[in-house]
Amino acid sequence: QVQLVQSGAEVKKPGSSVKVSCKASGDTFSGYGISWVRQAPGQGLEWMGGIIPIFGTANYAQKFQGRVTIIADRSMTTAYMEMNSLTSEDTAVYYCARSHPPYCSGGRCHGFDFWGQGTLVTVSS
Amino acid sequence: QSVLTQPPSASGTPGQRVTISCSGSSSKIGVDTINWYQQVPGTAPKLLIYSNNQRPSGVPDRFSGSKSGTSASLAISGLQSEDEADYYCAAWDDSLNGNWVFGGGTKLTVL
Repeated sequence: QVQLVQSGAEVKKPGSSVKVSCKASGDTFSGYGISWVRQAPGQGLEWMGGIIPIFGTANYAQKFQGRVTIIADRSMTTAYMEMNSLTSEDTAVYYCARSHPPYCSGGRCHGFDFWGQGTLVTVSS
Repeated sequence: QSVLTQPPSASGTPGQRVTISCSGSSSKIGVDTINWYQQVPGTAPKLLIYSNNQRPSGVPDRFSGSKSGTSASLAISGLQSEDEADYYCAAWDDSLNGNWVFGGGTKLTVL
């Protein structure tokens, strides 16, 4: 059974950075895309970007381009999302999610079939 | 403002059939497929329907999806109390860098 296990909750100061990890187990890691989706308190879902570890190149939603970096460590079967210049508006639960089928990109993917448990990032002075 | 529009709320009684709509604001959405997610508060979303009308393994056949033009629908028949959750539609949008877009979500209440 596929599992995505994320790192724990974070409290950050405005202007700082945060790095969240997502470790995959139970299935081949490299060929499946991993995306990051966030959810502000009481709000809906927002896609931030994604990566297919075997290819190594990430793509980002325009809103997050330049402020978010997504990488994947294939040997550790772990993906990371780092966001800098945090503000209070970045307070949210951050999820990693796996695309299916393997090697798909963009609209050729059939959605996100497995999700991490979520990581709460609180930005407060 | 999301390019996918959902009603903010829906409700039904146990055993009833309910539908949740998702309309696209771009003709581009009309050529892409729609996925649906269920999110029980405090938990991660769960894929319910992909490619407009396909159910992942383990999803009961009470859940069904359809799409026509730039609109899609999620239908839940034989409504159960555990179906009370938030439901999101999603599609790939090729504009800008290309990104996944989600509807604003529909809160389903089982009365």
